[in-house]
Amino acid sequence: NAGVTQTPKFQVLKTGQSMTLQCAQDMNHNSMYWYRQDPGMGLRLIYYSASEGTTDKGEVPNGYNVSRLNKREFSLRLESAAPSQTSVYFCASTERTSGSKQYFGPGTRLTVT
Amino acid sequence: DQQVKQNSPSLSVQEGRISILNCDYTNSMFDYFLWYKKYPAEGPTFLISISSIKDKNEDGRFTVFLNKSAKHLSLHIVPSQPGDSAVYFCAASALQGAQKLVFGQGTRLTINP
Repeated sequence: NAGVTQTPKFQVLKTGQSMTLQCAQDMNHNSMYWYRQDPGMGLRLIYYSASEGTTDKGEVPNGYNVSRLNKREFSLRLESAAPSQTSVYFCASTERTSGSKQYFGPGTRLTVT
Repeated sequence: DQQVKQNSPSLSVQEGRISILNCDYTNSMFDYFLWYKKYPAEGPTFLISISSIKDKNEDGRFTVFLNKSAKHLSLHIVPSQPGDSAVYFCAASALQGAQKLVFGQGTRLTINP
């Protein structure tokens, strides 16, 4: 049982390049989330998908897009990377009937130069 | 507007003693609170939670206390062990809706032998 997996683990981009961060969960969870973690700021919600087929903005959505490909997979796309997007990105999922306990992936460390 | 605050960036405790981590929130709509533990280069892992209908929840060495009137919660770890050294995040959400988590900035706990 892998839980929540994320690829890649590390990525370096130049300003203006694009990339997609992949996330998959094998727990049959309905809801999935993307967060970014920056020093001194905790984790901030970028986008979430309450259920398959729906996506909504979180606290810091600018510069990002998401796709809920199916129930298992939720991807985060940076169309034109900026140095301000240098961060650690975490994907999470939850079965909504169990309250708000979210399960997190191991993270993707992204550096934009 | 920081809705969840952890005002102590770091805490150092001797092994075997009690560790107390604090968290304050401002949004009275929050009715579910969680603590996550995070080791370097890993995703956050769920530790313990409490709903607003309770004022205490205990799980082994970990106890969370909720004071709704003060909008304050705390995590007690007793006895503290070296493996408890990590960053601890407090998070809050509303049980209704998409169950988005709002995180505090985190407290780095160091347990000294």
